[in-house]
Amino acid sequence: AQTVTQSQPEMSVQEAETVTLSCTYDTSESDYYLFWYKQPPSRQMILVIRQEAYKQQNATENRFSVNFQKAAKSFSLKISDSQLGDAAMYFCAYRSAWSSNYKLTFGKGTLLTVNP
Amino acid sequence: DTEVTQTPKHLVMGMTNKKSLKCEQHMGHRAMYWYKQKAKKPPELMFVYSYEKLSINESVPSRFSPECPNSSLLNLHLHALQPEDSALYLCASSQGATGPRRPMNTEAFFGQGTRLTVV
Repeated sequence: AQTVTQSQPEMSVQEAETVTLSCTYDTSESDYYLFWYKQPPSRQMILVIRQEAYKQQNATENRFSVNFQKAAKSFSLKISDSQLGDAAMYFCAYRSAWSSNYKLTFGKGTLLTVNP
Repeated sequence: DTEVTQTPKHLVMGMTNKKSLKCEQHMGHRAMYWYKQKAKKPPELMFVYSYEKLSINESVPSRFSPECPNSSLLNLHLHALQPEDSALYLCASSQGATGPRRPMNTEAFFGQGTRLTVV
């Protein structure tokens, strides 16, 4: 079974600064997808960024980028130029590419506070 | 349209009541999900429907009864719930795959959830 570990229950960052959220995972599969989801107080889970394991290039979406280290099974999220609206719970998630069971395995989450 | 719409947003029900949660998407997704989320915890998968058929039931108590009337709608019928069932219930959808092949798009889109309180 796959597991996802987020070792930082809480993080804080000053507005306009950069912060990195950590995620490690364990799997015996070679082909899979990794995601970062954001859940603000409005409750909706919003996809921030997606990484396909067979792609070596790290994914980027505007101010959000990942550092994907497949051998180390590490998938960290970097938020640049942090904004007040980035404050939220961030979940790292794993999904097998070859399974049809659609299961998303989530980490326990990191609560990010952005200080003005 | 990348929205998953859930109704109602808030629900308070007694332990003897029967109620239903509704979820709708118009993205042509063929996989739909129900998750339960307690405060400050990750979502826990309850059910998955794939092509309108129940694909996964994560050993959910029978007081929760899912239904998928068509490819755009997903319901969760609630009956005789317990106070510990109070939580945020999230619906999600994604593109489906008919077998163990790589799905073209894998991300799940979530609704805003229904905050359920059982009294």
